[in-house]
Amino acid sequence: EAQVTQNPRYLITVTGKKLTVTCSQNMNHEYMSWYRQDPGLGLRQIYYSMNVEVTDKGDVPEGYKVSRKEKRNFPLILESPSPNQTSLYFCASSFSTRGGYTFGSGTRLTVV
Amino acid sequence: DQQVKQNSPSLSVQEGRISILNCDYTNSMFDYFLWYKKYPAEGPTFLISISSIKDKNEDGRFTVFLNKSAKHLSLHIVPSQPGDSAVYFCAAKGLYFGNEKLTFGTGTRLTIIP
Repeated sequence: EAQVTQNPRYLITVTGKKLTVTCSQNMNHEYMSWYRQDPGLGLRQIYYSMNVEVTDKGDVPEGYKVSRKEKRNFPLILESPSPNQTSLYFCASSFSTRGGYTFGSGTRLTVV
Repeated sequence: DQQVKQNSPSLSVQEGRISILNCDYTNSMFDYFLWYKKYPAEGPTFLISISSIKDKNEDGRFTVFLNKSAKHLSLHIVPSQPGDSAVYFCAAKGLYFGNEKLTFGTGTRLTIIP
């Protein structure tokens, strides 16, 4: 089944403790992206990757890092999480720029 | 600066009637528009899209209309069914952007009343 898989689905952590949210797609998509969803703000792009070893900032990159060492994986790294990073995170991938994006099921992160 | 706006946070429609969800955008560089549907505890799923060279696109019960001069698009669902109850996001992107970023609206929660 074609899908984008994120882990974990839920995570509660403390301020400053480094964490990684994994994202993997099995569709051989070149383009991958991370979004966060917050009430009243819709989904905002954090980082994106056009291909292996090619990444760039989206609209809200502060406090996040990403890497794209393999085509299928695009982990999101929070080196020192803060409470304002409490949010619902989605990973997405796409093959065609004219087509729809496939989203993962989301990771709900709470930073206390 | 919200470049894609969905001014109705919620909408309730009787089963069998037409649901109309609206979306406005401000960036004239946007030329491709998409609608996503989102159920609780799931990621958004692609519903339908339209290119700026068209003013209408249909897929079964779903039709998207684009009015470029007004920078407005709408999603029509006919007839509405209980399974259509979800949050709907419109999204936009530009052909010449280096980033294949989708810019999303804030969503409209559609409730279909049986």
